[in-house]
Amino acid sequence: DAGITQSPRYKITETGRQVTLMCHQTWSHSYMFWYRQDLGHGLRLIYYSAAADITDKGEVPDGYVVSRSKTENFPLTLESATRSQTSVYFCASSESGWASGGSEQYFGPGTRLTVT
Amino acid sequence: GENVEQHPSTLSVQEGDSAVIKCTYSDSASNYFPWYKQELGKRPQLIIDIRSNVGEKKDQRIAVTLNKTAKHFSLHITETQPEDSAVYFCAASIRATNKLIFGTGTLLAVQP
Repeated sequence: DAGITQSPRYKITETGRQVTLMCHQTWSHSYMFWYRQDLGHGLRLIYYSAAADITDKGEVPDGYVVSRSKTENFPLTLESATRSQTSVYFCASSESGWASGGSEQYFGPGTRLTVT
Repeated sequence: GENVEQHPSTLSVQEGDSAVIKCTYSDSASNYFPWYKQELGKRPQLIIDIRSNVGEKKDQRIAVTLNKTAKHFSLHITETQPEDSAVYFCAASIRATNKLIFGTGTLLAVQP
């Protein structure tokens, strides 16, 4: 588990500000994901990436931007934070995708974001 | 769109009893079904998974069953212990993509 880290762990920001959440993994996993977790909704996929420079939308991508210039990093940016983006954000990684048979997805420790 | 329904949302059992959590999915092309356990304030962790070519899988006190015809799968925990208390999430792959869709979770409380 120490192989995937997120920063910051806690963040308070104001409405309208830009916020970037960082995710770093040391396993050289091809796939990386961003989820948000809200009570009553479980885990919802925001964006995912199959490799460096390849990203795709998940269930709830509006208001978020991602990039992946290096395999090990997958930052998530909230361009103009809104109160509805208050949530716990989890980054995850896996060796392969489910199209090829699937593999365990490893989650980071999470970032608790509050937008005031 | 694709959907995974999970029941019950809360489950309370006595220590030593069995617990069963059920999920149904909508995408007939789903081929991978993991279960995650999340303790309070911690990250989700995989406890067991099953692929579409298998009907049942066991790992000590935990088992998962899959019925592809009915599009449902279940988690079975036997001889429950207080340390099994957590939120459990089921998930299903979405067609041939690398995405997972999660259920809304079940809060399991094991009473000593």
